[in-house]
Order: sequence, then C-alpha cells, then structure tokens
Amino acid sequence: EDKVVQSPLSLVVHEGDTVTLNCSYEVTNFRSLLWYKQEKKAPTFLFMLTSSGFEKKSGRLSSILDKKELFSILNITATQTGDSAIYLCAGKHSGGSNYKLTFGKGTLLTVNP
Amino acid sequence: EAQVTQNPRYLITVTGKKLTVTCSQNMNHEYMSWYRQDPGLGLRQIYYSMNVEVTDKGDVPEGYKVSRKEKRNFPLILESPSPNQTSLYFCASSWGGSNNEQFFGPGTRLTVL
Repeated sequence: EDKVVQSPLSLVVHEGDTVTLNCSYEVTNFRSLLWYKQEKKAPTFLFMLTSSGFEKKSGRLSSILDKKELFSILNITATQTGDSAIYLCAGKHSGGSNYKLTFGKGTLLTVNP
Repeated sequence: EAQVTQNPRYLITVTGKKLTVTCSQNMNHEYMSWYRQDPGLGLRQIYYSMNVEVTDKGDVPEGYKVSRKEKRNFPLILESPSPNQTSLYFCASSWGGSNNEQFFGPGTRLTVL
C-alpha cells in the first residue's frame, strides 16, 4: 500500500525560530515529491523534487529529497506568523501512463509572535 | 487569469439526493483530479483523469462517479450521497507527465444530512 507519513503532526514555534518538517514515503514507481502550503483555502505549490540530494530554495524555505532513505525535509528559517499553515507532502507515482498523488496528513505549523 | 474553478463552493444536502460538483480549468491541462480532505486523514484522491475519456480510480472512489467529456471540465457526481461523504472537496489540474505541479481549485465544502 502506498503511503506518505509526515511528522510532526503539529508544531508551535515563536517568530524567528527555524523549523524542519519531515516527510517519509513508500510509493511504488516513485516519480517526484511535492510540498504544498495550505492556509484557510486550497493548497498552494511550494516545491517539487525529483532528484536525490538536490536542494531547492525559495527565500526562507528549502527542501531536500533523499531517494535512498525515502524521505524529504522542508526547512523554514526565520519563521514569521504568515508561515502558519498546514504543510502537505505528496509522493507522485506512476503505473504505466497514469500517475497518482498520495498525500501525507500534513503538519500544522503555528508561528506565534 | 489561469485558474481552476469549482461550483458550488458550499452545499448542504440530504441523503440520497443526487448532486454534481463541477470543476473547470482554463489552462488546457491534460491531467485533472478530485480529492477529499477530512480532519486527521489528510487529502485523499478520489478519481483522476489523464485526458478526455480517460479516467481512473484513486484511493477512495466508492460512492463517486466522474466523467471527462471535454478537456476543461471534470465533474464529480454523487449519485446517492451519504453523511460519510461530508467533506471538503478539491479539484486539481496539471499538464500531463510526471513532473508537473498540480493547481488546486478553491474547494467545495459539502455537508450531507
């Protein structure tokens, strides 16, 4: 059974802290790993990683994929209250010409002033 | 503006009354998908479509139907809704292929009494 597990499920920090969110996956025919941020509405795309060891950066956010150990981390430095959201990780995997996304349950991040 | 739209955004209905949630995208995307999001369970894929007339089951297809007669539209049909289908539903689309981000619609909050 394909599964994606995120940890922690919930995290509360103070502004300025650095946080690391974890995502492990077990999916057949893995293609890529995606991170989304969900505030009070639809998920918005953050990163997609396909190559192991490749770090993606966007401002204070960065992410690494380890295809050998089957996990990814999302790092947020100098957190701000606007970073408060649910962070979703998803494994994209394919079977023939089709592909699916399996999501983890998310990590609820709360950044207090 | 490139977007995925869903209608209705909110719906309260009763058990057994057939309903359709529409989804439309204006980006000429080949891939479209429906998800439901429930507390503690995360996002789960219901159905997806690789292209016109090509659909396949996701992880939780029971009680749902879809059709893909046109590239831009991917309606979700609940023939006989039940209370356990009360959920937040998201439609998403992307270009075909395995390395493309999905764009999410704004969500439809469905309550079945």
